[in-house]
Amino acid sequence: RKEVEQDPGPFNVPEGATVAFNCTYSNSASQSFFWYRQDCRKEPKLLMSVYSSGNEDGRFTAQLNRASQYISLLIRDSKLSDSATYLCVVRVSGGYNKLIFGAGTRLAVHP
Amino acid sequence: SAVISQKPSRDICQRGTSLTIQCQVDSQVTMMFWYRQQPGQSLTLIATANQGSEATYESGFVIDKFPISRPNLTFSTLTVSNMSPEDSSIYLCSVDPHGGRTEAFFGQGTRLTVV
Repeated sequence: RKEVEQDPGPFNVPEGATVAFNCTYSNSASQSFFWYRQDCRKEPKLLMSVYSSGNEDGRFTAQLNRASQYISLLIRDSKLSDSATYLCVVRVSGGYNKLIFGAGTRLAVHP
Repeated sequence: SAVISQKPSRDICQRGTSLTIQCQVDSQVTMMFWYRQQPGQSLTLIATANQGSEATYESGFVIDKFPISRPNLTFSTLTVSNMSPEDSSIYLCSVDPHGGRTEAFFGQGTRLTVV
């Protein structure tokens, strides 16, 4: 079983749609959670951190459920520029506190 | 934040040869990380490079294949040795300036094709 699992997609949605991505993690020692965005042929960049209380940044809302080991990302009013791969990332405590990446969920927003 | 300059951005290499990838950071960082991203896959950590000590390799990666140098707090190299077509991938370096409390930053990646 992968440490971080995501639906690979692709999610094909029209502009203005609301889309939700889910992610589960298996390591209970996970201490920090993130969503990264990776555009085609580019490096990953942080989209937002994920907190237990939930957090919102404009059209983006992230939720964390530690009991279920589940993370979500909601994108409202999708834009063409949201088309990318969204990586669920978990930081595991101990050692070098390394990051574990999910395989990513591809989103394609069309006119 | 941190700005990372990684080079080369891409290369096509003959099997059996070696390629050294360089990463330069605009600030001093304790640890640098090297990842591999195979086509259609996510990032897999190869090793963690700490200045002044040997790199720590993840399961499935060995020093003879991926030797790493970390001569100072702003620079690191990863060498892909004795390459085969299976080594064709994107290689990325990364830093974590705040010791894991905030985001990680990545170089632009090196797209390697072995023929």
